[in-house]
Amino acid sequence: KNQVEQSPQSLIILEGKNCTLQCNYTVSPFSNLRWYKQDTGRGPVSLTIMTFSENTKSNGRYTATLDADTKQSSLHITASQLSDSASYICVVSARSNDYKLSFGAGTTVTVRA
Amino acid sequence: DAGVIQSPRHEVTEMGQEVTLRCKPISGHDYLFWYRQTMMRGLELLIYFNNNVPIDDSGMPEDRFSAKMPNASFSTLKIQPSEPRDSAVYFCASSLRVWGGRETQYFGPGTRLLVL
Repeated sequence: KNQVEQSPQSLIILEGKNCTLQCNYTVSPFSNLRWYKQDTGRGPVSLTIMTFSENTKSNGRYTATLDADTKQSSLHITASQLSDSASYICVVSARSNDYKLSFGAGTTVTVRA
Repeated sequence: DAGVIQSPRHEVTEMGQEVTLRCKPISGHDYLFWYRQTMMRGLELLIYFNNNVPIDDSGMPEDRFSAKMPNASFSTLKIQPSEPRDSAVYFCASSLRVWGGRETQYFGPGTRLLVL
């Protein structure tokens, strides 16, 4: 069973609207959680990295939250733009080996005009 | 910097043939990663190097896969012999080590491999 579960699998939103993506994980012990954005045909690009002590991290219109107690994270996109259409991947690393990454399957976001 | 460079960008080959994927990491980065991405399995870490030395290859699917890093600016991932189930996008990424493991991995554009 995947240790990182993302929801929804996909969503469609209208340009200018907000949306929130969810990530639940069971990876333990926890080291850090990352959100990546992957445009079609491109490699993933890092949006945020959060450690245990951080519960909010922003990168422009992207805001990630982390609740290490409930092992949940969310990525909020504010005032969506057409360029936000992409797959968003949640990645969690365990403290024992920071490079032993567990990947979520991703949420595909489509922004329509 | 040009970022992580991968070649070829696309590769179509027949089952049984040898395939070699190439990667040039960002200059100065001391970690290099090879990933595979498929619709079914998502992103998977295959192997990573630190200072040209393979550290963890537990993600390499089987003996048909091998990776080398002869120097700090070049790495290869070889599949021999290739099989249709190897069809995927292969990404190379590099990073600098940051205390606490908060380094950012920079991904290349990927190589799309199709094995017929």
